[in-house]
Amino acid sequence: GESVGLHLPTLSVQEGDNSIINCAYSNSASDYFIWYKQESGKGPQFIIDIRSNMDKRQGQRVTVLLNKTVKHLSLQIAATQPGDSAVYFCAESLGGYQKVTFGIGTKLQVIP
Amino acid sequence: DAGITQSPRHKVTETGTPVTLRCHQTENHRYMYWYRQDPGHGLRLIHYSYGVKDTDKGEVSDGYSVSRSKTEDFLLTLESATSSQTSVYFCAISESVENYGYTFGSGTRLTVV
Repeated sequence: GESVGLHLPTLSVQEGDNSIINCAYSNSASDYFIWYKQESGKGPQFIIDIRSNMDKRQGQRVTVLLNKTVKHLSLQIAATQPGDSAVYFCAESLGGYQKVTFGIGTKLQVIP
Repeated sequence: DAGITQSPRHKVTETGTPVTLRCHQTENHRYMYWYRQDPGHGLRLIHYSYGVKDTDKGEVSDGYSVSRSKTEDFLLTLESATSSQTSVYFCAISESVENYGYTFGSGTRLTVV
């Protein structure tokens, strides 16, 4: 995950547009990646995951892309809606419950 | 957060006092975790449990202890609260160690004054 200060990076998107949220992961040995959504005052919510033997995976309105060459993960949200406003963060895993590393996140603001 | 409940949701406590946070699940999941979330940091693992009475330390376990006497309950205790333990604490559950799509609780906001 990113190493940033106290202020989350923010992405502002017009309602109906597509959103792309990026994540640079740290360990080239990581073999499993997850995206979470966290709304204000709530716990993180699982969105989608991908294993390192894949480079793309699609869900409902979301697509995760994995580029192992540059250790980059992205989350694409199609037709962004106001309900998509939240903090999104990625997590990477080396295997085993001790080895999940969570990123700090990106705040997505949807402009009506 | 269906199936997982944290209590209390908010707590203010004084430095030096013991504090216990509770996580209760109705999913019968074997694995339970306690994380803390602080500005500028991703979620950090405090302790985890892989079964009743089976627990182990995470990366930020100093000053914390846990207990799991029943499958459904996982308690986090701050033995003597310090200001550095002011944080939002999340409990998470998972069915298996291979499944990292954890289900998280709603969190407990703890302030140590």
